[in-house]
Amino acid sequence: EPEVTQTPSHQVTQMGQEVILRCVPISNHLYFYWYRQILGQKVEFLVSFYNNEISEKSEIFDDQFSVERPDGSNFTLKIRSTKLEDSAMYFCASRGQTTYNEQFFGPGTRLTVL
Amino acid sequence: DQQVKQNSPSLSVQEGRISILNCDYTNSMFDYFLWYKKYPAEGPTFLISISSIKDKNEDGRFTVFLNKSAKHLSLHIVPSQPGDSAVYFCAAVRFSGNTPLVFGKGTRLSVIA
Repeated sequence: EPEVTQTPSHQVTQMGQEVILRCVPISNHLYFYWYRQILGQKVEFLVSFYNNEISEKSEIFDDQFSVERPDGSNFTLKIRSTKLEDSAMYFCASRGQTTYNEQFFGPGTRLTVL
Repeated sequence: DQQVKQNSPSLSVQEGRISILNCDYTNSMFDYFLWYKKYPAEGPTFLISISSIKDKNEDGRFTVFLNKSAKHLSLHIVPSQPGDSAVYFCAAVRFSGNTPLVFGKGTRLSVIA
């Protein structure tokens, strides 16, 4: 069964460093998302992406964040200068045209900012 | 601003009995609701969904009920199995382009053998 994959599974970085989180969505999906979950809190939306541009973004997704689909398969989230409060699980999700609202999630990347 | 609320952080149920997980929402613009299951160190896994034009959707042991007037939905699992032990998230979305899912905080279900 096709699945969303994410790398790395765990990333440790120093405050102020840049990180890039990578995702490979399900191959025929066209809609892509990033969410995050701070420990003990709910899953929060960051950004949605379709047709090579951002569709919607939340207040969390400020100028330090960016997304890119550099090729036909990868979807990346970049945090330019990490802060302690960026420590969280970051989930990538994708959906197809027919699975109208059913987003399929990857296993997540645990980001730890020291 | 909690648009989707799961007021029970945890629930324990005996194996074989029914598990009922509840969810309330405040935004009447939501028109599709989903339940996701999450194991530790994994991403949320889609379980079952319901459109706002329906009041019930069933898939095997899982049934979701929607009460639009009360802005309430529930997930019933019967019979509950130890493998159902996980965190269950209720999510809601509006039909409009590429809008995101809005999640509740989750309910941790423990099914005791």
